[in-house]
Amino acid sequence: AQSVTQLDSQVPVFEEAPVELRCNYSSSVSVYLFWYVQYPNQGLQLLLKYLSGSTLVKGINGFEAEFNKSQTSFHLRKPSVHISDTAEYFCAVSEAGGSYIPTFGRGTSLIVHP
Amino acid sequence: DAGVIQSPRHEVTEMGQEVTLRCKPISGHDYLFWYRQTMMRGLELLIYFNNNVPIDDSGMPEDRFSAKMPNASFSTLKIQPSEPRDSAVYFCASSRSPGSVGSSGANVLTFGAGSRLTVL
Repeated sequence: AQSVTQLDSQVPVFEEAPVELRCNYSSSVSVYLFWYVQYPNQGLQLLLKYLSGSTLVKGINGFEAEFNKSQTSFHLRKPSVHISDTAEYFCAVSEAGGSYIPTFGRGTSLIVHP
Repeated sequence: DAGVIQSPRHEVTEMGQEVTLRCKPISGHDYLFWYRQTMMRGLELLIYFNNNVPIDDSGMPEDRFSAKMPNASFSTLKIQPSEPRDSAVYFCASSRSPGSVGSSGANVLTFGAGSRLTVL
């Protein structure tokens, strides 16, 4: 079975600074990887996904993530954050060729200060 | 498409009362998921359906919880009797089958806005 660890429960950062949200996964087979974002009082929405191919994946709102198989990581990055990026970010993994049902991490709260 | 629609958005009830949460998935999606989100436990998968059939309900906390999907466009999550520890935000999500036409090959979930339940 797969599992996901988001190493930081909260990441405070100043506006226009770069940010990295960390995600590590565990699985014995090939995986699909996702980042979802949850704005206050809303449901989760897909930010980006890695299925295959290039290990650098670009998503909405200027976010990108890099799949590193040797380190079993899928960290999310943005070079310059905005106040509106304040939200909860969830990493998720599913096993390719398995049940395809994603397992979610505990989430990382990104807090952007002016 | 209007997305995944959940109702009610907010529910306040007293302990012991029955609670019914409703979900309308996106048309054409054949997977439906119910999640519960709390500060203590994060996002928990309660149950999921494929083609209206419950596939895995191992996340349902106890017999007080039940879920049904009578047709492809409607699902309910019922709690009877409700308890204060059931207070949480309940999310419904849907997705296409990974191998279906129009799918990306993976289960990409579309979430509803959630139902915030408070049991007093």
